[in-house]
Amino acid sequence: DAGITQSPRHKVTETGTPVTLRCHQTENHRYMYWYRQDPGHGLRLIHYSYGVKDTDKGEVSDGYSVSRSKTEDFLLTLESATSSQTSVYFCAISESKAGANVLTFGAGSRLTVL
Amino acid sequence: AQSVSQHNHHVILSEAASLELGCNYSYGGTVNLFWYVQYPGQHLQLLLKYFSGDPLVKGIKGFEAEFIKSKFSFNLRKPSVQWSDTAEYFCAVNARNNAGKSTFGDGTTLTVKP
Repeated sequence: DAGITQSPRHKVTETGTPVTLRCHQTENHRYMYWYRQDPGHGLRLIHYSYGVKDTDKGEVSDGYSVSRSKTEDFLLTLESATSSQTSVYFCAISESKAGANVLTFGAGSRLTVL
Repeated sequence: AQSVSQHNHHVILSEAASLELGCNYSYGGTVNLFWYVQYPGQHLQLLLKYFSGDPLVKGIKGFEAEFIKSKFSFNLRKPSVQWSDTAEYFCAVNARNNAGKSTFGDGTTLTVKP
């Protein structure tokens, strides 16, 4: 178990409000990721991090920012939430298993933007 | 850029039927291939992976997948499904030396009728 905790697990907010989702890991993994899961779209990468203060954009990064000030915490921020950002957000870490980088996911954060 | 295509969006089978879920990927370099499973109400977990070597890989719960390089395919199979296999299945690919960033297919929902 990679010890990944996401918070909050559920959140309902209104359009235009800021939202921050937190991912916390306990095993010092270097790589962390934020994905969103939507019906019919699978999982899409929002942002990822390859170390403290080292982050980069994924395929659907518009409207999102991230920060990683400590190895164990990776924050995803929606500066001004929109209804299109209603989704389930998964944090993941990557660890090498038999040569392949395998993702281990947190339990997810369900965000509803009204 | 890498991409993944899953052929079936929703598959319905009776218990003991055989299963094959199609997955094709697009990428010009060397890749790692994965199948992840998401049981109802749970987060994604690794079912099996291919890194190198024997193109027929075996995973948990009797699942296997075959990597056919010439066809850019990584189809998932199980000879006899159970009701407990009802879940959503995601094929994923990541390129070697690419920070573990994984691209997912849109997912296939498998419903197994008792």
